[in-house]
Amino acid sequence: RKEVEQDPGPFNVPEGATVAFNCTYSNSASQSFFWYRQDCRKEPKLLMSVYSSGNEDGRFTAQLNRASQYISLLIRDSKLSDSATYLCVVMNTNAGKSTFGDGTTLTVKP
Amino acid sequence: SAVISQKPSRDICQRGTSLTIQCQVDSQVTMMFWYRQQPGQSLTLIATANQGSEATYESGFVIDKFPISRPNLTFSTLTVSNMSPEDSSIYLCSVEDGRFYGYTFGSGTRLTVV
Repeated sequence: RKEVEQDPGPFNVPEGATVAFNCTYSNSASQSFFWYRQDCRKEPKLLMSVYSSGNEDGRFTAQLNRASQYISLLIRDSKLSDSATYLCVVMNTNAGKSTFGDGTTLTVKP
Repeated sequence: SAVISQKPSRDICQRGTSLTIQCQVDSQVTMMFWYRQQPGQSLTLIATANQGSEATYESGFVIDKFPISRPNLTFSTLTVSNMSPEDSSIYLCSVEDGRFYGYTFGSGTRLTVV
């Protein structure tokens, strides 16, 4: 079993749709969690950190469930520009290591 | 967040040769990380580079194949040695921007070995 697992998709949604991605992790010692966005042929860029209380940034909402060891990303009112691969990242700061999920590909269509 | 300058951005190399990739950070950082991203896959950590000590390599990666230098707190190089077509990939350097800020990545080096 992979340490971090994501549904690879692809998710194909129309503009304006709401879409949610989940990511599960196996290491209960994980301490920090992030969602990254990677556009085609570009480097990953931080989309948002994920806090235990959940956090929202505009159309994006991230949540963490430590008991079930998963994090989620919700995108509301999808835009064409949201089309990208979304990477889940789990960090164990004590071990100084981070593990990346394989990514979920989203395509938003007009 | 930190700004990273990575070069070259891409290269096409003959098998058996070596390529050195450079990353320059605009601030001092303790650790720099080197990743590989093969086509259609996520990032795999090659090694962690600390200034003043040997790099720490992940399982499946060895120093002879991927020697790393870290001469100071703002700079690191990764060399891909004795290349084969299987080394064709994107190589990325990264620094940690803090516990709540994750990582910042260089723009990547797209390597094709022919």
